[in-house]
Amino acid sequence: DGGITQSPKYLFRKEGQNVTLSCEQNLNHDAMYWYRQDPGQGLRLIYYSQIVNDFQKGDIAEGYSVSREKKESFPLTVTSAQKNPTAFYLCASSIGIHNQPQHFGDGTRLSIL
Amino acid sequence: AQSVTQLDSQVPVFEEAPVELRCNYSSSVSVYLFWYVQYPNQGLQLLLKYLSGSTLVESINGFEAEFNKSQTSFHLRKPSVHISDTAEYFCAVSEVQGAQKLVFGQGTRLTINP
Repeated sequence: DGGITQSPKYLFRKEGQNVTLSCEQNLNHDAMYWYRQDPGQGLRLIYYSQIVNDFQKGDIAEGYSVSREKKESFPLTVTSAQKNPTAFYLCASSIGIHNQPQHFGDGTRLSIL
Repeated sequence: AQSVTQLDSQVPVFEEAPVELRCNYSSSVSVYLFWYVQYPNQGLQLLLKYLSGSTLVESINGFEAEFNKSQTSFHLRKPSVHISDTAEYFCAVSEVQGAQKLVFGQGTRLTINP
């Protein structure tokens, strides 16, 4: 079955460490997205990519970085510059950047030790 | 820029009772509207969407939502809820023109009591 796979499901980070969250899709979607979810705040867009080798900052990109070297993969790195990284991170994809609903992975919960 | 307001953070109802989850949006341009559902520790699943045409849209599990342009609302309703409907529900909008950046509301937690 086609879908979006996020790994790991739970991730722990020490202060000062960078960590990378994986997102893989086999839906052949061009567009991919990363969101951060905090209680009572809904989802906020971190980065999005419309096509391979291209990505744009979302609303809260500071302290995060991404790459899009392959169509099916869109990893997110949470850097040590992100001062409050504890959150639930969701990856999504859509057929194109226009007029399509987004499909979501099951998320990665990141916690700081 | 768009914004979405979900007027209730929590809605408790009894099983088999009707429910309405409210969503209002603000935008200077035409928008598409979506409702997503999130079960505990999972991602979001698309429940229903309004892109064009009939302002009343329905999902396969009995939910419906009506786009009201004059009131800038997209409220979600179900005439009779089930325990399995317990989840968090998110309303979202995106511009008709331009990149499909979804803007989400804060979410409404629906709790069904037996």
